Amino acid sequence: DIQMTQSPSTLSASVGDRVTITCRASQSISSWLAWYQQKPGKAPKLLIYKASSLESGVPSRFSGSGSGTEFTLTISSLQPDDFATYYCQQYNSYSSFGPGTKVDIK
Amino acid sequence: EVQLVESGGGLVKPGGSLRLSCAASGFTFSSYSMNWVRQAPGKGLEWVSSISSSSSYIYYADSVKGRFTISRDNAKNSLYLQMNSLRAEDTAVYYCARGDTVTSFFDYWGQGTLVTVSS
Repeated sequence: DIQMTQSPSTLSASVGDRVTITCRASQSISSWLAWYQQKPGKAPKLLIYKASSLESGVPSRFSGSGSGTEFTLTISSLQPDDFATYYCQQYNSYSSFGPGTKVDIK
Repeated sequence: EVQLVESGGGLVKPGGSLRLSCAASGFTFSSYSMNWVRQAPGKGLEWVSSISSSSSYIYYADSVKGRFTISRDNAKNSLYLQMNSLRAEDTAVYYCARGDTVTSFFDYWGQGTLVTVSS
Protein backbone atom coordinates (compact mmCIF):
# COMPACT_ATOMS: atom_id res chain seq x y z
CA ASP A 1 0.00 0.00 0.00
CA ILE A 2 1.12 3.55 -0.71
CA GLN A 3 1.39 5.74 2.38
CA MET A 4 0.96 9.49 2.14
CA THR A 5 2.39 12.06 4.54
CA GLN A 6 1.81 15.81 4.72
CA SER A 7 3.70 18.63 6.35
CA PRO A 8 3.07 20.65 8.30
CA SER A 9 0.05 19.22 10.11
CA THR A 10 -1.02 22.74 11.10
CA LEU A 11 -0.06 26.02 9.53
CA SER A 12 -0.86 29.45 10.96
CA ALA A 13 -0.94 32.20 8.39
CA SER A 14 -2.34 35.65 7.65
CA VAL A 15 -4.42 36.94 4.77
CA GLY A 16 -2.09 37.72 1.89
CA ASP A 17 0.58 35.19 2.89
CA ARG A 18 2.08 32.73 0.45
CA VAL A 19 1.39 29.24 1.79
CA THR A 20 3.04 25.98 0.80
CA ILE A 21 1.97 22.48 1.87
CA THR A 22 4.08 19.41 1.13
CA CYS A 23 2.84 15.90 0.43
CA ARG A 24 5.11 12.87 0.15
CA ALA A 25 4.34 9.36 -1.11
CA SER A 26 6.04 6.20 0.17
CA GLN A 27 6.80 5.20 -3.44
CA SER A 28 6.65 6.85 -6.81
CA ILE A 29 3.15 7.77 -7.96
CA SER A 30 4.21 9.61 -11.11
CA SER A 31 1.82 12.59 -11.27
CA TRP A 32 -1.26 10.76 -10.00
CA LEU A 33 -1.93 13.16 -7.16
CA ALA A 34 -4.88 15.35 -6.25
CA TRP A 35 -5.44 18.07 -3.65
CA TYR A 36 -8.69 18.78 -1.82
CA GLN A 37 -9.96 21.53 0.46
CA GLN A 38 -12.37 20.69 3.26
CA LYS A 39 -14.23 23.03 5.58
CA PRO A 40 -15.89 21.88 8.83
CA GLY A 41 -19.10 19.94 8.24
CA LYS A 42 -18.68 20.00 4.46
CA ALA A 43 -17.59 17.53 1.83
CA PRO A 44 -14.10 17.86 0.37
CA LYS A 45 -13.70 19.99 -2.75
CA LEU A 46 -11.30 19.07 -5.56
CA LEU A 47 -8.67 21.75 -6.20
CA ILE A 48 -5.88 20.12 -8.23
CA TYR A 49 -5.57 16.82 -10.11
CA LYS A 50 -2.68 15.15 -11.91
CA ALA A 51 -0.35 17.06 -9.60
CA SER A 52 -0.66 20.43 -11.33
CA SER A 53 -3.96 20.65 -13.24
CA LEU A 54 -6.34 23.22 -11.78
CA GLU A 55 -9.94 22.04 -11.47
CA SER A 56 -12.46 24.20 -13.29
CA GLY A 57 -13.72 27.08 -11.17
CA VAL A 58 -10.86 26.96 -8.66
CA PRO A 59 -9.09 30.30 -8.22
CA SER A 60 -5.72 30.64 -9.91
CA ARG A 61 -4.02 31.47 -6.59
CA PHE A 62 -3.98 27.69 -6.04
CA SER A 63 -1.25 25.75 -7.80
CA GLY A 64 0.30 22.33 -7.55
CA SER A 65 3.66 20.91 -8.51
CA GLY A 66 5.82 17.83 -8.16
CA SER A 67 6.13 14.30 -9.44
CA GLY A 68 7.39 10.97 -8.22
CA THR A 69 7.24 11.11 -4.43
CA GLU A 70 7.22 14.80 -3.51
CA PHE A 71 4.47 17.30 -4.22
CA THR A 72 3.47 20.78 -3.13
CA LEU A 73 0.28 22.80 -2.99
CA THR A 74 0.84 26.55 -3.03
CA ILE A 75 -1.64 29.31 -2.28
CA SER A 76 -0.05 32.45 -3.68
CA SER A 77 -1.99 34.96 -1.58
CA LEU A 78 -4.12 33.50 1.21
CA GLN A 79 -7.71 34.72 1.25
CA PRO A 80 -10.24 34.55 4.13
CA ASP A 81 -12.11 31.74 2.34
CA ASP A 82 -8.95 29.61 2.24
CA PHE A 83 -8.81 28.81 5.96
CA ALA A 84 -9.58 25.10 5.86
CA THR A 85 -7.98 21.66 5.94
CA TYR A 86 -6.16 20.43 2.86
CA TYR A 87 -5.66 16.79 1.87
CA CYS A 88 -3.55 15.15 -0.80
CA GLN A 89 -4.67 11.91 -2.46
CA GLN A 90 -2.70 9.44 -4.53
CA TYR A 91 -4.52 7.46 -7.21
CA ASN A 92 -1.61 5.60 -8.76
CA SER A 93 -2.49 2.40 -6.92
CA TYR A 94 -6.06 2.24 -5.63
CA SER A 95 -6.36 5.39 -3.49
CA SER A 96 -5.09 6.83 -0.25
CA PHE A 97 -5.15 10.20 1.42
CA GLY A 98 -2.63 12.18 3.40
CA PRO A 99 -3.47 13.01 7.03
CA GLY A 100 -4.35 16.63 6.22
CA THR A 101 -2.95 20.10 6.84
CA LYS A 102 -5.07 22.58 8.74
CA VAL A 103 -4.55 26.20 7.71
CA ASP A 104 -5.70 28.53 10.45
CA ILE A 105 -5.58 32.22 11.20
CA LYS A 106 -2.36 33.54 12.70
CA GLU B 1 -25.93 20.08 -12.08
CA VAL B 2 -24.19 17.03 -10.68
CA GLN B 3 -25.78 15.82 -7.45
CA LEU B 4 -24.89 12.91 -5.20
CA VAL B 5 -27.19 12.24 -2.26
CA GLU B 6 -26.31 9.60 0.32
CA SER B 7 -28.80 7.90 2.59
CA GLY B 8 -29.06 4.92 4.91
CA GLY B 9 -26.82 5.98 7.75
CA GLY B 10 -27.78 5.60 11.38
CA LEU B 11 -27.02 3.91 14.67
CA VAL B 12 -26.19 0.20 14.59
CA LYS B 13 -24.81 -2.20 17.18
CA PRO B 14 -21.39 -3.82 16.82
CA GLY B 15 -21.67 -6.86 14.58
CA GLY B 16 -24.69 -5.42 12.82
CA SER B 17 -25.29 -4.50 9.19
CA LEU B 18 -26.28 -1.40 7.28
CA ARG B 19 -26.77 -0.58 3.60
CA LEU B 20 -25.87 2.86 2.32
CA SER B 21 -27.23 4.29 -0.91
CA CYS B 22 -26.10 7.15 -3.12
CA ALA B 23 -28.53 8.61 -5.64
CA ALA B 24 -26.85 10.31 -8.57
CA SER B 25 -28.25 12.90 -10.97
CA GLY B 26 -27.08 15.52 -13.44
CA PHE B 27 -24.63 13.30 -15.33
CA THR B 28 -24.48 10.01 -17.22
CA PHE B 29 -24.04 7.73 -14.21
CA SER B 30 -23.15 4.66 -16.26
CA SER B 31 -20.08 6.40 -17.70
CA TYR B 32 -18.29 7.04 -14.42
CA SER B 33 -16.59 5.06 -11.71
CA MET B 34 -17.94 5.62 -8.23
CA ASN B 35 -16.37 5.51 -4.81
CA TRP B 36 -16.98 5.52 -1.07
CA VAL B 37 -14.76 7.59 1.22
CA ARG B 38 -15.25 7.86 4.98
CA GLN B 39 -14.21 10.26 7.69
CA ALA B 40 -14.26 9.31 11.37
CA PRO B 41 -15.24 12.12 13.74
CA GLY B 42 -12.41 14.65 13.94
CA LYS B 43 -10.17 12.55 11.70
CA GLY B 44 -8.95 12.57 8.11
CA LEU B 45 -10.31 11.06 4.93
CA GLU B 46 -10.09 7.31 4.31
CA TRP B 47 -10.77 5.69 0.95
CA VAL B 48 -13.14 2.74 1.37
CA SER B 49 -14.04 1.25 -2.01
CA SER B 50 -14.25 1.89 -5.75
CA ILE B 51 -16.33 0.39 -8.56
CA SER B 52 -15.86 0.88 -12.27
CA SER B 53 -18.61 2.12 -14.56
CA SER B 54 -19.75 -1.39 -15.59
CA SER B 55 -18.90 -3.03 -12.24
CA SER B 56 -16.07 -4.96 -13.90
CA TYR B 57 -13.47 -3.68 -11.44
CA ILE B 58 -14.05 -3.43 -7.71
CA TYR B 59 -11.50 -2.49 -5.07
CA TYR B 60 -11.60 -2.29 -1.28
CA ALA B 61 -9.41 -0.89 1.46
CA ASP B 62 -7.87 -3.62 3.61
CA SER B 63 -9.78 -2.27 6.62
CA VAL B 64 -13.16 -3.24 5.10
CA LYS B 65 -12.28 -6.15 2.78
CA GLY B 66 -14.49 -9.15 3.43
CA ARG B 67 -17.03 -7.10 5.40
CA PHE B 68 -18.21 -4.41 2.95
CA THR B 69 -19.60 -4.86 -0.56
CA ILE B 70 -19.88 -2.08 -3.11
CA SER B 71 -22.39 -2.33 -5.94
CA ARG B 72 -24.25 -0.12 -8.39
CA ASP B 73 -27.43 -0.13 -10.45
CA ASN B 74 -26.91 1.94 -13.58
CA ALA B 75 -30.59 1.71 -14.49
CA LYS B 76 -31.44 3.40 -11.19
CA ASN B 77 -28.45 5.79 -11.14
CA SER B 78 -27.56 4.44 -7.73
CA LEU B 79 -24.50 3.34 -5.81
CA TYR B 80 -24.62 1.11 -2.73
CA LEU B 81 -22.41 0.01 0.13
CA GLN B 82 -23.46 -3.07 2.08
CA MET B 83 -21.69 -3.02 5.43
CA ASN B 84 -21.63 -6.18 7.54
CA SER B 85 -19.89 -7.15 10.79
CA LEU B 86 -19.69 -3.50 11.73
CA ARG B 87 -17.17 -2.37 14.34
CA ALA B 88 -16.86 0.74 16.47
CA GLU B 89 -14.00 1.88 14.25
CA ASP B 90 -16.37 1.99 11.26
CA THR B 91 -18.11 4.98 12.85
CA ALA B 92 -17.74 7.79 10.34
CA VAL B 93 -19.40 10.05 7.83
CA TYR B 94 -19.55 8.10 4.57
CA TYR B 95 -19.28 10.07 1.34
CA CYS B 96 -19.96 8.85 -2.17
CA ALA B 97 -17.78 10.46 -4.80
CA ARG B 98 -17.52 10.38 -8.57
CA GLY B 99 -14.34 9.32 -10.30
CA ASP B 100 -13.14 9.53 -13.88
CA THR B 101 -11.75 5.99 -13.91
CA VAL B 102 -11.69 3.27 -11.28
CA THR B 103 -8.42 4.69 -9.89
CA SER B 104 -8.97 8.40 -10.10
CA PHE B 105 -9.36 11.67 -8.33
CA PHE B 106 -12.86 12.47 -7.10
CA ASP B 107 -14.46 15.50 -8.73
CA TYR B 108 -17.90 15.49 -7.13
CA TRP B 109 -18.87 14.46 -3.60
CA GLY B 110 -22.13 13.96 -1.78
CA GLN B 111 -22.92 15.63 1.54
CA GLY B 112 -22.26 12.43 3.49
CA THR B 113 -24.26 10.16 5.77
CA LEU B 114 -23.28 9.38 9.35
CA VAL B 115 -22.86 5.80 10.49
CA THR B 116 -22.50 5.25 14.23
CA VAL B 117 -21.56 1.81 15.54
CA SER B 118 -22.23 1.60 19.24
CA SER B 119 -23.94 -0.61 21.78
